[in-house]
Amino acid sequence: DTAVSQTPKYLVTQMGNDKSIKCEQNLGHDTMYWYKQDSKKFLKIMFSYNNKELIINETVPNRFSPKSPDKAHLNLHINSLELGDSAVYFCASAEVGGRVEAFFGQGTRLTVV
Amino acid sequence: GESVGLHLPTLSVQEGDNSIINCAYSNSASDYFIWYKQESGKGPQFIIDIRSNMDKRQGQRVTVLLNKTVKHLSLQIAATQPGDSAVYFCAVNSGYALNFGKGTSLLVTP
Repeated sequence: DTAVSQTPKYLVTQMGNDKSIKCEQNLGHDTMYWYKQDSKKFLKIMFSYNNKELIINETVPNRFSPKSPDKAHLNLHINSLELGDSAVYFCASAEVGGRVEAFFGQGTRLTVV
Repeated sequence: GESVGLHLPTLSVQEGDNSIINCAYSNSASDYFIWYKQESGKGPQFIIDIRSNMDKRQGQRVTVLLNKTVKHLSLQIAATQPGDSAVYFCAVNSGYALNFGKGTSLLVTP
């Protein structure tokens, strides 16, 4: 009964490829996020969606395109992968626009070679 | 944008001692603050939160203190245990954004 689930957990791919990471939450939350965690453990917000609408885009390259088919899903598609995209990507969800605790998925470790 | 920082990147404590992890924030309009714990290979996990109308909140072995005057919050862990070893983040909510500090690695030694 995982609250926020991401797939895949690990992703190894070559530069230039296109890949997607899926996220689903079964908590009925309105707000979903994507975060990027670098090798120094810094967690940086990338996107925030509320009721399927993009609320925040934190100067993320347009190679990254989030898609929210419904309130329970927020997928992340990445085009033309670069070495610097290697990181752990976390999906999270919260209710009330994030004014209460956010629940995080287990993360997707993306390695670009 | 919000700037969230931590005073110490690493903290080593002996088992049974109390731990204090600090965090500074920059936006005086921030009204909701959260502490998260991240164990190796896992996502951040909620520990405790506090709203700006409070200056102290206690949970099980944890206490969060908020000083709005100097824009500082701290997490106190009582009787630190080996299972407390992890990276701890403060996060600050502003509207739809949940912004994280850089993290403090807590190492509990026997």
